[in-house]
Amino acid sequence: ETGVTQTPRHLVMGMTNKKSLKCEQHLGHNAMYWYKQSAKKPLELMFVYSLEERVENNSVPSRFSPECPNSSHLFLHLHTLQPEDSALYLCASSQDRGRGSTDTQYFGPGTRLTVL
Amino acid sequence: QKEVEQDPGPLSVPEGAIVSLNCTYSNSAFQYFMWYRQYSRKGPELLMYTYSSGNKEDGRFTAQVDKSSKYISLFIRDSQPSDSATYLCAIALYGQNFVFGPGTRLSVLP
Repeated sequence: ETGVTQTPRHLVMGMTNKKSLKCEQHLGHNAMYWYKQSAKKPLELMFVYSLEERVENNSVPSRFSPECPNSSHLFLHLHTLQPEDSALYLCASSQDRGRGSTDTQYFGPGTRLTVL
Repeated sequence: QKEVEQDPGPLSVPEGAIVSLNCTYSNSAFQYFMWYRQYSRKGPELLMYTYSSGNKEDGRFTAQVDKSSKYISLFIRDSQPSDSATYLCAIALYGQNFVFGPGTRLSVLP
């Protein structure tokens, strides 16, 4: 496997379900990101992890819970979601060279989430 | 005013045409500029990365940055049906995360 992979590619869940999205990067990067992409809207940054520590959380509702067990893996745990949470969830990774770096992000294919 | 603005399209052109895709931004301090291409049901893939004003060329693609006008462009020469995708601009301050435009949907008709 190369690049950034995400599973599942499609997910349909009810509002009371609990599910998790998984992301894995094979690029040797040390920073990982979760984005939400809704129709006709810009990518919304949700969470940033650098060196496995969360460094940014853009006021995302608590029904989204990220986990980064190591620099290659990132999870997004979902519970009691709302229909408006239906979107494409994209994972990305980059090489964070330290404070002040602005490095290229490489994206996975995304998980298409539908909340009924 | 939004930080990054981009015409959502759709933009339809005939095969072989020169395509011009544009973004405007509000903060003159932005320094890093990227263009991503996103095919349907796929994640964005990086096309071009530029820092500072001027032009950068890569094959059929040219990225142009005009900091005085707060305007960036992506030109595609000899467009092909395989160029049909959504094109996202992304802009950042030094050491900050990128801010993305909403994307322009391009269709190149054979």
